Amino acid sequence: QQQVKQSPQSLIVQKGGISIINCAYENTAFDYFPWYQQFPGKGPALLIAIRPDVSEKKEGRFTISFNKSAKQFSLHIMDSQPGDSATYFCAASMGGDMRFGAGTRLTVKP
Amino acid sequence: GAVVSQHPSRVICKSGTSVKIECRSLDFQATTMFWYRQFPKQSLMLMATSNEGSKATYEQGVEKDKFLINHASLTLSTLTVTSAHPEDSSFYICSAIRPGGGDFSYEQYFGPGTRLTVT
Repeated sequence: QQQVKQSPQSLIVQKGGISIINCAYENTAFDYFPWYQQFPGKGPALLIAIRPDVSEKKEGRFTISFNKSAKQFSLHIMDSQPGDSATYFCAASMGGDMRFGAGTRLTVKP
Repeated sequence: GAVVSQHPSRVICKSGTSVKIECRSLDFQATTMFWYRQFPKQSLMLMATSNEGSKATYEQGVEKDKFLINHASLTLSTLTVTSAHPEDSSFYICSAIRPGGGDFSYEQYFGPGTRLTVT
């Protein structure tokens, strides 16, 4: 049962551009929405997270936008860099029971 | 930030043998840990929830007699793959819940993963 839908599957962005990844969820009981960055052969690293009562959170070049009524949230990476090339997973958690999106493979071209 | 470690990072074993993977929370106590499995170019699949002092809760389709989980302390959970077969070869990742993380009532951190290859 796919509770979190993520798009696009892959994304190519030029250096300095904005990368946008979108996710939609179904269960309104989710209370924690993190984004993870994963490099090949490594575990996912917590990038940024948001609560459902907050509409936007920004940390450096990374911003989460959250639309509770639409049950959607997105990750924006500003001034994308080649070092940002990785797979990004959105997730939704209910008391620690976390469900992941399918992942987006981001490639930032120099 | 919080740190979760896993050991070993890579393991190769022969078919029919058992392999134990350790997951430790290094700077916080974790009453709940999770075990995931990840196939190449795919998302993380939750295998089981490990609660300190009680039996693990397994996701549908995960064989509990094959994937033994023991959450012996507030900082250690182990996953033992018993009678391993080549189809068990995968990337196994644990995560731990840290309560009371800043803006959130909890945060979840992942270990670096263990690459299991069964020959």
